[in-house]
Amino acid sequence: DTEVTQTPKHLVMGMTNKKSLKCEQHMGHRAMYWYKQKAKKPPELMFVYSYEKLSINESVPSRFSPECPNSSLLNLHLHALQPEDSALYLCASSQTDSLQYFGPGTRLTVT
Amino acid sequence: LAKTTQPISMDSYEGQEVNITCSHNNIATNDYITWYQQFPSQGPRFIIQGYKTKVTNEVASLFIPADRKSSTLSLPRVSLSDTAVYYCLVGDPLFVDTGRRALTFGSGTRLQVQP
Repeated sequence: DTEVTQTPKHLVMGMTNKKSLKCEQHMGHRAMYWYKQKAKKPPELMFVYSYEKLSINESVPSRFSPECPNSSLLNLHLHALQPEDSALYLCASSQTDSLQYFGPGTRLTVT
Repeated sequence: LAKTTQPISMDSYEGQEVNITCSHNNIATNDYITWYQQFPSQGPRFIIQGYKTKVTNEVASLFIPADRKSSTLSLPRVSLSDTAVYYCLVGDPLFVDTGRRALTFGSGTRLQVQP
């Protein structure tokens, strides 16, 4: 199974809402990632977890809060987002960091 | 962190070979070169990875000259379904373990295949 799953596929939320994005992989990969991608732009790395510990935080605003409950799951908690945070949020996992498996993404719209 | 430069876009026709070149002048000794493909509203998909010379798989070939300051992704006989954005990444495969800066996606090359 080389699949990374993400839920929900689409999410619309207001600026005062709290929501969470979920990501799951069952490939036994040691690293998991969150990326943000705006239209016609490359993915931008947000967070990296290695062995369930946060190893990289690319200066992401605190309204984005990652969580890695176990080696298969990765969450991204969202609170008080801004309209400019609307984007495709991608999760990835890997065993070797340059070979990442990406999920289909969650299309987030902040109203 | 090795920065990559790729053409913004390329056009081709079905059945032709497409070569996309990526420039990475400050590639480091430990860095590998990895290419991803991305369709609209989907996550990137790994295509091929190499360190030096030539690598070939069922999808593409990757040519890397001796100085490793550039690389060329070769797609043989493209079809309409190859229309996508292609990203070249350069970085240390063990960047998380070593604490070095993570891989960064460049701007990518938008390939349009015409019938």
